[in-house]
Amino acid sequence: EDQVTQSPEALRLQEGESSSLNCSYTVSGLRGLFWYRQDPGKGPEFLFTLYSAGEEKEKERLKATLTKKESFLHITAPKPEDSATYLCAVQVRGSNYKLTFGKGTLLTVNP
Amino acid sequence: EAQVTQNPRYLITVTGKKLTVTCSQNMNHEYMSWYRQDPGLGLRQIYYSMNVEVTDKGDVPEGYKVSRKEKRNFPLILELPSPNQTSLYFCASSGQSYNSPLHFGNGTRLTVT
Repeated sequence: EDQVTQSPEALRLQEGESSSLNCSYTVSGLRGLFWYRQDPGKGPEFLFTLYSAGEEKEKERLKATLTKKESFLHITAPKPEDSATYLCAVQVRGSNYKLTFGKGTLLTVNP
Repeated sequence: EAQVTQNPRYLITVTGKKLTVTCSQNMNHEYMSWYRQDPGLGLRQIYYSMNVEVTDKGDVPEGYKVSRKEKRNFPLILELPSPNQTSLYFCASSGQSYNSPLHFGNGTRLTVT
């Protein structure tokens, strides 16, 4: 069974304090790994897709990396507006376009 | 603006009273899907549709129906709602390419009493 585990469940940072969120996965065949951001009362918003080990993608203060077993979302010098729940999801070969999601990491950045 | 629109945003109903949650997308996407989000369980797929008149079950389809008569619309139907269907529901769509990410609506919070 495909599994996605995110850690930590919650993370509280001071503004400017860099850190990383982890997403470990066990799947039969990875087609892609997706990162989404979800704000309260909103739907998930797409951030990145990673397809192969060693791949990295960046957007503003966020950088996503991928290995054969896990992905990291690095947040550099976060700001309060980066506070949100970050969701990791995998798409498996042979499935429809379904995403299997982790339970998310709730990030709070204090000013 | 490219978007997925769900209605209503909030819905409170009673057990057994049929309801429909509408979903519409303006991006000409072939693929559409419904998810439910529950605390401690995350997002789980209910049903999906690869194109008009093509639908199939996801991981948690029991108690739900869908239809895809037009490309832009993908309603979710609960014919006999029960309290265990109280949840936050999201509709999503994407182009039919594995490079195309899912775009989500803003959700429908359903309470069944």
